[in-house]
Amino acid sequence: SQQGEEDPQALSIQEGENATMNCSYKTSINNLQWYRQNSGRGLVHLILIRSNEREKHSGRLRVTLDTSKKSSSLLITASRAADTASYFCATVSDRGSTLGRLYFGRGTQLTVWP
Amino acid sequence: EAEVAQSPRYKITEKSQAVAFWCDPISGHATLYWYRQILGQGPELLVQFQDESVVDDSQLPKDRFSAERLKGVDSTLKIQPAELGDSAMYLCASSSRLSYNEQFFGPGTRLTVL
Repeated sequence: SQQGEEDPQALSIQEGENATMNCSYKTSINNLQWYRQNSGRGLVHLILIRSNEREKHSGRLRVTLDTSKKSSSLLITASRAADTASYFCATVSDRGSTLGRLYFGRGTQLTVWP
Repeated sequence: EAEVAQSPRYKITEKSQAVAFWCDPISGHATLYWYRQILGQGPELLVQFQDESVVDDSQLPKDRFSAERLKGVDSTLKIQPAELGDSAMYLCASSSRLSYNEQFFGPGTRLTVL
């Protein structure tokens, strides 16, 4: 399977703390993306990291990628109650699959308490 | 801000009935995706269109599911007959030719089959 697998499945923290979510995958990739999904809603693209990049920042988000370990992490710093959502990693294969096709993991449910 | 539109937002039906979902992608986006998301899991691609052509429907249960995008703009996903196991969120997403790595998702249609 090309799906990413997130860890942990659920994470509960206090406002102001940092949240770290991990993603592991099995096949070689072109890029890896993180999405957020608020309860019962569609997904929102957060950040994309390419296979030749090791770290990327966007506001309070920091993503790392280790292609040798086939893993990625998403760090949300100074979390807020509004960050409460499910977070998914999604991979794009580099092996001739349909252009742009995403393979999603099961997600991490993040709860940030005020 | 341009958004992907989906309707209906919620649909309750009895098994063996037919259901249809509609999606209007962001204007100008050539690629349109239909995903199914079972509760507690990540989205799984059902079908991908490039303009009006299907480029990937390998995960679409073709005995009961059909999808069309006749004019290369909006799209309809149909299930006939619906089964209990079809209860899920059906998400539509679109992407542009220039930025095909970033998909924009609609709010989804929550289907409940009784």
